[in-house]
Amino acid sequence: ELKVEQNPLFLSMQEGKNYTIYCNYSTTSDRLYWYRQDPGKSLESLFVLLSNGAVKQEGRLMASLDTKARLSTLHITAAVHDLSATYFCAVNNYGQNFVFGPGTRLSVLP
Amino acid sequence: DGGITQSPKYLFRKEGQNVTLSCEQNLNHDAMYWYRQDPGQGLRLIYYSQIVNDFQKGDIAEGYSVSREKKESFPLTVTSAQKNPTAFYLCASSIGRHIGGYTEAFFGQGTRLTVV
Repeated sequence: ELKVEQNPLFLSMQEGKNYTIYCNYSTTSDRLYWYRQDPGKSLESLFVLLSNGAVKQEGRLMASLDTKARLSTLHITAAVHDLSATYFCAVNNYGQNFVFGPGTRLSVLP
Repeated sequence: DGGITQSPKYLFRKEGQNVTLSCEQNLNHDAMYWYRQDPGQGLRLIYYSQIVNDFQKGDIAEGYSVSREKKESFPLTVTSAQKNPTAFYLCASSIGRHIGGYTEAFFGQGTRLTVV
């Protein structure tokens, strides 16, 4: 059974600081996805990582994938309040469906 | 505009009632999914479908039913057998199992179901 873990589950950080969210998964997969969810809203796709060593960047967020370690990271640079949200990673389950991690709730404080 | 439309946005159900949540997509995607999200929690898979007239149970299918008669539509019925249905329901779609595929799942805006 495919399992996806994230840590930390809760993250409170000050504006301007850097931090990394980690996503581990339990089975072989070379496709990893990051999503953002604002309170009361649906999920918005942030990054699609399709191969080992893939790195994608958008603004203050950068995602990477290490398929050998079964690890993806979401790095936040110089956080701003607008980044406050819950971030989910997800893994494609052998083409059948998507398994999501529990989410990391990020609060960026002034 | 291409996308996924869920309706209604809010739904109230009385004890013992069946209710149906609508999900329609015009992205020409083969695969569709239903997830349930409880407050402060992650997403749990209810049902998924890779092709018309075929669907599979996810991790928490008990008390739910689906149909996939058309490529564009994947309605979810919450039956009276689902004892704790109050949650946020999210429908998603993706290209599906094509060579070079496995794009991300795209989500609708969700339906918030409350038992009264």
